[in-house]
Amino acid sequence: DIQMTQSPSSLSASVGDRVTITCRASQGIRNDIVWFQQKPGKAPKRLIYDAFSLQSGVPSRFSGSGSGTEFTFTISSLQPEDFASYYCLQHNTQPWTFGQGTKVEIK
Amino acid sequence: EVQVVESGGGLAQPGRSLRLSCATSGFSFVDYAMNWVRQAPGKGLEWVGFIRSKAYTGTPEYAASVKGRFSISRDDSKSVAYLQINSLKIDDTAVYYCTRSGAGWDYMDVWGKGTTVTVSS
Repeated sequence: DIQMTQSPSSLSASVGDRVTITCRASQGIRNDIVWFQQKPGKAPKRLIYDAFSLQSGVPSRFSGSGSGTEFTFTISSLQPEDFASYYCLQHNTQPWTFGQGTKVEIK
Repeated sequence: EVQVVESGGGLAQPGRSLRLSCATSGFSFVDYAMNWVRQAPGKGLEWVGFIRSKAYTGTPEYAASVKGRFSISRDDSKSVAYLQINSLKIDDTAVYYCTRSGAGWDYMDVWGKGTTVTVSS
């Protein structure tokens, strides 16, 4: 199975900060990665697909980059509504696998 | 409006079976693979399995952790996907989500609110 190593597992940041989350795949997955946001008690919400494509309606402060084995998810200027957990998912090779998640908390 | 609604969760004893349903509307169900994802209390997301569209064989795939006990099926005439869970274990306690996957722009873009399965004696 492809392991998706997501880091950090948690971070504390202030409104306006730039936040970066990384997912490393144990083998190449081209750009077959999706990034989700999840708030407590809610279903995941897709933010980025195909590594860097922004979901319609999602603010442009969210972005994704990378290819192969190293991927980055960035929030350029953290807003109060962005405090949540974030997950990556690879869908290149079965079984699909999620990263362990990153909890973004208020500093 | 594109919608996915899970149902069938509840309290069940270890060793019993449960069938979850994922009812969909607002899109061409036959053209999509359907995934199941679960989340145990306080834990991260875990992909459980999916079933391909008939155009791509209609066959399922499963995570190793559930293979042999979970079975995914679909009824294209009703636009519904199912997750059959057999020999329930305490560790199966989770919220179970259903989500569609297309080719790219529509890959896991729509999720249901989930249905909660609690396994306890």
